[in-house]
Amino acid sequence: AQSVTQLGSHVSVSEGALVLLRCNYSSSVPPYLFWYVQYPNQGLQLLLKYTSAATLVKGINGFEAEFKKSETSFHLTKPSAHMSDAAEYFCAVSVRDTGNQFYFGTGTSLTVIP
Amino acid sequence: GAGVSQSPSNKVTEKGKDVELRCDPISGHTALYWYRQSLGQGLEFLIYFQGNSAPDKSGLPSDRFSAERTGGSVSTLTIQRTQQEDSAVYLCASSSPRKTGDYEQYFGPGTRLTVT
Repeated sequence: AQSVTQLGSHVSVSEGALVLLRCNYSSSVPPYLFWYVQYPNQGLQLLLKYTSAATLVKGINGFEAEFKKSETSFHLTKPSAHMSDAAEYFCAVSVRDTGNQFYFGTGTSLTVIP
Repeated sequence: GAGVSQSPSNKVTEKGKDVELRCDPISGHTALYWYRQSLGQGLEFLIYFQGNSAPDKSGLPSDRFSAERTGGSVSTLTIQRTQQEDSAVYLCASSSPRKTGDYEQYFGPGTRLTVT
């Protein structure tokens, strides 16, 4: 079975500080991994995805994530937080042999302190 | 091109009434998903359609919930005899996993359902 765990439902960082949002997954087969962002009162937007190419994936708005198979992790980072980064972030895993079903984490709310 | 659209954007209904929520996926996308997002919560999977295969209904919370996908395109999520706990944002997403290797889901803006 596949699952996603996001550690920390709420994360606060100062503007300009490093952003680190944690995601661990459980999958019996090689997964596809995704990070989505949801701004207030909007739908989800893809930030980045890992689909078995390079393990370090760069996304939009300066975010990146590294797939670490040994740690079953796909943590999201950004070197310097902006006020506009305040949003809800969701990690998701997909496995093709389950018909491309997606499993989402419970989300992490990021607050950026000026 | 056009993204995933959902209608209505907001729906207020009285307890006990039936509601229908509509999703228009991206043209050509074979997979369509419905999720529910309650206030301050993550995404709760409801149902998944893939091509002509039987839908995965494992996430539907009760038999009051049902969904159809006509002609492999538009989908309607129906909630019968609505309850206050059904109040949430209902999100639709589509994807095309077998077309270009483009596996991500594309989300619509959601329908905010309020049951009074």
